[in-house]
Amino acid sequence: GDSVTQTEGLVTLTEGLPVMLNCTYQTIYSNPFLFWYVQHLNESPRLLLKSFTDNKRTEHQGFHATLHKSSSSFHLQKSSAQLSDSALYYCALLGYKLTFGTGTSLLVDP
Amino acid sequence: EAAVTQSPRSKVAVTGGKVTLSCHQTNNHDYMYWYRQDTGHGLRLIHYSYVADSTEKGDIPDGYKASRPSQENFSLILELASLSQTAVYFCASRAGAGGDEQYFGPGTRLTVL
Repeated sequence: GDSVTQTEGLVTLTEGLPVMLNCTYQTIYSNPFLFWYVQHLNESPRLLLKSFTDNKRTEHQGFHATLHKSSSSFHLQKSSAQLSDSALYYCALLGYKLTFGTGTSLLVDP
Repeated sequence: EAAVTQSPRSKVAVTGGKVTLSCHQTNNHDYMYWYRQDTGHGLRLIHYSYVADSTEKGDIPDGYKASRPSQENFSLILELASLSQTAVYFCASRAGAGGDEQYFGPGTRLTVL
């Protein structure tokens, strides 16, 4: 079945440094949608960005990601971390159903 | 603005008791979902529904039942609550077409003692 792998459980960064959260996926579905959801403390997850198109950069709120079907990856990046970026980030795959990864907690220190 | 509400927002239940978590959406969405969230496991799908009066098993359905009496309402039922079911439960809805966004409710914190 479908699966999403987020290798880092916790990423700790200093404010101003670049962010990269890894996401790889497996599916037999040839045209999956990939999503990044963000969940701040004591809130519910909300959509950060999504992509369907191979090799096209998608941007939202300073974050960006590019779907690479050749490597089954959809890594989340940001050029400069802010304190307010501290949150739990989920990568999700929509093949035949929506499947979430286990999440990566991002902690940005001053 | 898409809206998903859940009740109760928190609940303490006794082991062996029955618990019903309710979810209501005003998005006119076809798909509704129940997830549980545990540290280290992320969001795990319990049950989902794509039409009223029908439910489907998700990845971890054991110990849970679901009911979708109308398009707007989706309930999660724990007939015999157990300690291992202590978690935060999220309801979500999605239109169901392609890459539509999934909207989450505020969550219910369930503690089983």
